[in-house]
Amino acid sequence: EAQVTQNPRYLITVTGKKLTVTCSQNMNHEYMSWYRQDPGLGLRQIYYSMNVEVTDKGDVPEGYKVSRKEKRNFPLILESPSPNQTSLYFCASSLVAGDGAVGEKLFFGSGTQLSVL
Amino acid sequence: QQQVKQSPQSLIVQKGGISIINCAYENTAFDYFPWYQQFPGKGPALLIAIRPDVSEKKEGRFTISFNKSAKQFSLHIMDSQPGDSATYFCAASDGYSTLTFGKGTMLLVSP
Repeated sequence: EAQVTQNPRYLITVTGKKLTVTCSQNMNHEYMSWYRQDPGLGLRQIYYSMNVEVTDKGDVPEGYKVSRKEKRNFPLILESPSPNQTSLYFCASSLVAGDGAVGEKLFFGSGTQLSVL
Repeated sequence: QQQVKQSPQSLIVQKGGISIINCAYENTAFDYFPWYQQFPGKGPALLIAIRPDVSEKKEGRFTISFNKSAKQFSLHIMDSQPGDSATYFCAASDGYSTLTFGKGTMLLVSP
């Protein structure tokens, strides 16, 4: 089954304790992205990657890191989490066409609810 | 900053009624306008999408209306059902940068 898998689904942590949220897709997609969803603010992009070893900042990258060492995986790293990073996080993936156009359909994971105390 | 403005923030519609959600954009380079549907506890999923070469696209009970001159597009859900209760996001893209999402509309269809 084609899917984007995020882990964990729920995570409670304390301020300053490094954490990683994993994301893996089995569709051989070049494009992967992280979003955070907050009430009243919708989906805001954190980082994205057009292919292996190619990453770029989205709209709200501060406090986050990503890496793309393999095509299927795109982990989100919070080096020193703070309470304002409490949010619902989504990973998504899509194809990239030969001319560089991002695919028309984003596939989303089921989300990771993060609480930073 | 690229923006897509979505309204209303929330919407209550009776079963069988028409749900209408509106979006407006500023960037004339946008050429792809999808709508995503999100159920509680799930990630968003593509519902329907349109390109500006047509003014309307219909898939079942879901229709996108597109007004290029006004830079507006809307989602119409005909004969709304309780199972349509979800959060809906409009989005826009120029194809080479990532999707810009609206802030979402929580739709509740009452039985």
